[in-house]
Amino acid sequence: GAGVSQSPRYKVAKRGQDVALRCDPISGHVSLFWYQQALGQGPEFLTYFQNEAQLDKSGLPSDRFFAERPEGSVSTLKIQRTQQEDSAVYLCASSSYSDNQPQHFGDGTRLSIL
Amino acid sequence: GDSVTQMEGPVTLSEEAFLTINCTYTATGYPSLFWYVQYPGEGLQLLLKATKADDKGSNKGFEATYRKETTSFHLEKGSVQVSDSAVYFCALTKGQAGTALIFGKGTTLSVSS
Repeated sequence: GAGVSQSPRYKVAKRGQDVALRCDPISGHVSLFWYQQALGQGPEFLTYFQNEAQLDKSGLPSDRFFAERPEGSVSTLKIQRTQQEDSAVYLCASSSYSDNQPQHFGDGTRLSIL
Repeated sequence: GDSVTQMEGPVTLSEEAFLTINCTYTATGYPSLFWYVQYPGEGLQLLLKATKADDKGSNKGFEATYRKETTSFHLEKGSVQVSDSAVYFCALTKGQAGTALIFGKGTTLSVSS
């Protein structure tokens, strides 16, 4: 497809379960970002990949959050032992590796923890 | 640290009214500035951007000028339409490849006919 694709669009899980969220970036985009958007707030940075290398994970809120991009394309964000405060929309964005190139966002995964 | 502050919403306007959404920023160096729009049920879409002082970004009738002296990037449109109803986010990045966007909290715009 032409844009960033995320799946699933909606995910409901019980507290304590593990979840995995997928991001398929625009073909050829080197940079991939994950953001967390709480209700009524702007997105907040979680982690950044350049190809398969995770260069910045300073925004991950706890060690329950883990992200990977093993082949430099598709990325997965995993949350272990989910908590209610993990409920949010998780956004993925990709961009070309170049200064000032805008990030292109997917539609996000809305995660609800019961 | 770097941050973005947007005017509180919601902003409610009648069709064809003039729109201003204020955005100011705090950042070291020379950030690039963006406006993103989020329509209901959709992801963020880039609306416009400016990469250096005095640049004007424009798209779909929206404009914003990068004002370094006032650290502002206010969004304007001369005549809004119902279809402009959405949440608008101001954001900055340092422009280096791989630098994350820093977003404001968003401003909800509601336009009625």
